Amino acid sequence: SQTIHQWPATLVQPVGSPLSLECTVEGTSNPNLYWYRQAAGRGLQLLFYSVGIGQISSEVPQNLSASRPQDRQFILSSKKLLLSDSGFYLCAWSWAGGPADTQYFGPGTRLTVL
Amino acid sequence: AQTVTQSQPEMSVQEAETVTLSCTYDTSENNYYLFWYKQPPSRQMILVIRQEAYKQQNATENRFSVNFQKAAKSFSLKISDSQLGDTAMYFCAFQNNNDMRFGAGTRLTVKP
Repeated sequence: SQTIHQWPATLVQPVGSPLSLECTVEGTSNPNLYWYRQAAGRGLQLLFYSVGIGQISSEVPQNLSASRPQDRQFILSSKKLLLSDSGFYLCAWSWAGGPADTQYFGPGTRLTVL
Repeated sequence: AQTVTQSQPEMSVQEAETVTLSCTYDTSENNYYLFWYKQPPSRQMILVIRQEAYKQQNATENRFSVNFQKAAKSFSLKISDSQLGDTAMYFCAFQNNNDMRFGAGTRLTVKP
């Protein structure tokens, strides 16, 4: 079976500090990978998606970036955090090689920027 | 661009009764997928039900069923025999290729 992990679960960072959130998937190969952000009381906003190693598509221009150094690893980064970066960050995966299909979500990371 | 609208920010239902959550969407695409996800207080996003746009038959998963009306671009979720564990945020989502759009959500409370 497939599982998706995210860490850390909770993070408190000062404004201007760097960020690195990690997401890994087990039990599948070459998945499509996604990063979403959920502001308090809101729906999900797609930030990045990747269909393969080194292939990143950005949906929302901002001070965040994503990388996929390994097949089942997806990293969300920032060089300098802003207050507006606070939120709940969710990673998701879906099967590759066919029409877009169901996305399965990780447990999320709650980020607070102070 | 695709948009998803959930017009009910909050709803409540008595335990064991039936409730319907509304969702409408806007798209010019013909082939796409629609989903309902549940987000309990733990904030884990859990898939509730999935519908392929090319299928006319409404999807069902145990107590959960949808009313999919493609021409009207409507995709409502019906929860039968509501349980206390159904209390959560419910998000409607539209997907075409890798573009997944979510509604703002409906907060459902099941009352004992």
